[in-house]
Amino acid sequence: GNSVTQMEGPVTLSEEAFLTINCTYTATGYPSLFWYVQYPGEGLQLLLKATKADDKGSNKGFEATYRKETTSFHLEKGSVQVSDSAVYFCALSDRNSAGKSTFGDGTTLTVKP
Amino acid sequence: DVKVTQSSRYLVKRTGEKVFLECVQDMDHENMFWYRQDPGLGLRLIYFSYDVKMKEKGDIPEGYSVSREKKERFSLILESASTNQTSMYLCASTRTGRSYEQYFGPGTRLTVT
Repeated sequence: GNSVTQMEGPVTLSEEAFLTINCTYTATGYPSLFWYVQYPGEGLQLLLKATKADDKGSNKGFEATYRKETTSFHLEKGSVQVSDSAVYFCALSDRNSAGKSTFGDGTTLTVKP
Repeated sequence: DVKVTQSSRYLVKRTGEKVFLECVQDMDHENMFWYRQDPGLGLRLIYFSYDVKMKEKGDIPEGYSVSREKKERFSLILESASTNQTSMYLCASTRTGRSYEQYFGPGTRLTVT
């Protein structure tokens, strides 16, 4: 079956530091890959996505590239802000799963001023 | 703007009560999901529905049931609430198609005393 493994947290960074959160996946088909973000007290919201190999998803300064050869989708941001403090979830879905997604366990990011 | 709404942000119920959690989406999505989120356990799928009146069990269906009488509404029912069902409940929806990104509601924090 499908699975997603993401970097364990928590991660604490200073403002303007570089961020990487690792995510690797196992899937039988050709999945779409996602990063979701959850701010305190809220539901998850889509941060970015990539639907095929070598696609780069980007949003709000975050980027992730779909690497089929390494089955990875690492999240990066060049300069984090205090407002980026949140929980980040890597996820995948494929056409064989009837719309279901497989989520990683989430990585908590805290950015200090 | 797409929207998934949940009937309550916070709910306090007593052990043994019947509890209804309502979720409504305005995007004409075919697929809807109920998750619970607990610290250290990530997101766990309770039930999902891929069409009106259709439902499938997720990973942790015990103690829950669901109802989908209309396309836009998906209800989660706790027949007899117990303290171990104290949790954050998240509803999500997605369109059948290519990438299956999920749209989440804000969550319901349920406390069973």
